[in-house]
Amino acid sequence: QIQLVQSGAEVKKPGASVKVSCKTSGYSFTFYGISWVRQAPGQGLEWLGWIRTYNGNKYYAKKFEDRVNMTADTSTTTVYLELRSLTSDDTAIYYCARDPLHFSFSASPQPSDSWGQGTLVTVSS
Amino acid sequence: DIVMTQSPDSLAVSLGERATINCKSSQSISSSSNNKNSLAWYQQKPGQPPKLLFYWASTRESGVPDRFSASGSGTDFSLSISSLQPEDVAVYYCQQYYTSGHLTFGGGTKVEIK
Repeated sequence: QIQLVQSGAEVKKPGASVKVSCKTSGYSFTFYGISWVRQAPGQGLEWLGWIRTYNGNKYYAKKFEDRVNMTADTSTTTVYLELRSLTSDDTAIYYCARDPLHFSFSASPQPSDSWGQGTLVTVSS
Repeated sequence: DIVMTQSPDSLAVSLGERATINCKSSQSISSSSNNKNSLAWYQQKPGQPPKLLFYWASTRESGVPDRFSASGSGTDFSLSISSLQPEDVAVYYCQQYYTSGHLTFGGGTKVEIK
């Protein structure tokens, strides 16, 4: 079955960077893009960006484009999110999420039908 | 950027009654190339990641009960639950994927039992 398993919770100091991993299995990795979405405590959903695992093309939300990097390792079917220059506003659960079944080989971001369990990133001095 | 506005922020509905959630986009998200509206709906229960319910505004994801329906076009969309069940208590989000490179979510609507 399709699985997206994320790395564990992180605690970071302001100004630091964090790297979250998303290990995928149960499907053809390069067929589907991966989005990253975050949710601050008690708040709504916020889209950070998307990576096309087929060729590494990326789309980043304007708000994050100067301090985010997404990468995909086809050898380990793992996607990574790195966020730099952290502030307390970055405290949130970060989710990776796969494009839906009917959107295989999409060249641009799509909605998501399979989600990781989430990774809590806490930024605190 | 396309702004997605949901209403109401929350609603309480009796078991077995209908719940309707609205979602409005700041510009049309209807594509002339495929005549489809690039809108998705999600359900999120406490402590869980979101679950995709609909895409292309009204295409139901496999396994979603048929008491859920979705409709709309252009800038105005809605999600309805025809007969609210206890397991439907959740926060519901709309999301546009019309703008390549910048997907946006609505603010969410919390559905509770009256």
